[in-house]
Amino acid sequence: DTAVSQTPKYLVTQMGNDKSIKCEQNLGHDTMYWYKQDSKKFLKIMFSYNNKELIINETVPNRFSPKSPDKAHLNLHINSLELGDSAVYFCASSPIGGGDEQYFGPGTRLTVT
Amino acid sequence: GENVEQHPSTLSVQEGDSAVIKCTYSDSASNYFPWYKQELGKRPQLIIDIRSNVGEKKDQRIAVTLNKTAKHFSLHITETQPEDSAVYFCACKPTGSNYQLIWGAGTKLIIKP
Repeated sequence: DTAVSQTPKYLVTQMGNDKSIKCEQNLGHDTMYWYKQDSKKFLKIMFSYNNKELIINETVPNRFSPKSPDKAHLNLHINSLELGDSAVYFCASSPIGGGDEQYFGPGTRLTVT
Repeated sequence: GENVEQHPSTLSVQEGDSAVIKCTYSDSASNYFPWYKQELGKRPQLIIDIRSNVGEKKDQRIAVTLNKTAKHFSLHITETQPEDSAVYFCACKPTGSNYQLIWGAGTKLIIKP
């Protein structure tokens, strides 16, 4: 009965590798987000999709590519991983956008060595 | 664009005392102001929110006040307990955005026994 789920929970990989993080929500929400939270805890929005359409694309290296196969899923693929990509990545969803509660997934802790 | 400043970055209070965290925003037309709590190792979760047509909202020991003239809003926690220890984030929804929240940098609240 998990509302927003992410896999994997932990991801340890070497520099230069390519990895993906998956997110699914069963709340029937139209909008989904990816956030990056670094060691200083700041929540940085990366991308937002509304009904499978990209609506927010912040200044993020193009090594990061989101993909939304349907409105319940938003995946994040990262190419050529760098040390600075180490962070916790949170997926979130909301009913109609930023004016309502955002429900966060449990996070994926990515460590690049 | 909209900017949100949050203070203090760290707040240490004695158990049972009150805690106040303040955020200021720049866009006077912002109309939605949520507060999220993130416990250590967990996901951010909404604890209270307020819309621009209301000056104050309470939910048991927590309250949020909004001063639209001064463009600031505050989170008040009374009778603090150990389980209140967490990082608290404020956010606001800027004009013209249905999807994006602008986040504060977070406040680490420490409750001393």
